[in-house]
Amino acid sequence: AQKITQTQPGMFVQEKEAVTLDCTYDTSDPSYGLFWYKQPSSGEMIFLIYQGSYDQQNATEGRYSLNFQKARKSANLVISASQLGDSAMYFCAMRGNSGGSNYKLTFGKGTLLTVNP
Amino acid sequence: NAGVMQNPRHLVRRRGQEARLRCSPMKGHSHVYWYRQLPEEGLKFMVYLQKENIIDESGMPKERFSAEFPKEGPSILRIQQVVRGDSAAYFCASSPSQRNTGELFFGEGSRLTVL
Repeated sequence: AQKITQTQPGMFVQEKEAVTLDCTYDTSDPSYGLFWYKQPSSGEMIFLIYQGSYDQQNATEGRYSLNFQKARKSANLVISASQLGDSAMYFCAMRGNSGGSNYKLTFGKGTLLTVNP
Repeated sequence: NAGVMQNPRHLVRRRGQEARLRCSPMKGHSHVYWYRQLPEEGLKFMVYLQKENIIDESGMPKERFSAEFPKEGPSILRIQQVVRGDSAAYFCASSPSQRNTGELFFGEGSRLTVL
């Protein structure tokens, strides 16, 4: 079984500053994938970034980077140079890559990020 | 736009009515996944389908819910005799196979409100 924990129900950041959203996970799978999704108030789920457990480098996608610390089982999302449009709910998710149910994503409860002007 | 398409985006039903939600996967994708998001929660897996086959429905409520992915046409999530607790956002995702690729893209979701 997999578990995702996001301990920050809400976060505030000033425009143009960087912010880190926390995510810890638990799994017995030796191979797994970690995801971050953004859900704005309009409701769609927007894929942001993916990290495989055996990837040598931390994933980056534009202003998004994933701070992957395998020993600590953490996969924090770092957003640099925050913009007002970054205000949204952010979900961390994972998928085990071995076994028969490697298609199921397990989601955390999310962190609501508010970017202040 | 070749993304995952869901409709309707919003659906209102009275208790006891039926709800049908449709999902057209990305072009070339034959695997479809449905997830449900209750208010204030993350998404939870419901069902995984391939063309004409249900592979895993372990996340589906045992009664009133069904899903299909016919040879032709979109995948359908059907909720019979809806109750207020069915009010949620229902998301669909697709993939070309079950093998482990990276990203998993979702459609824009269908928001069901039961009055």
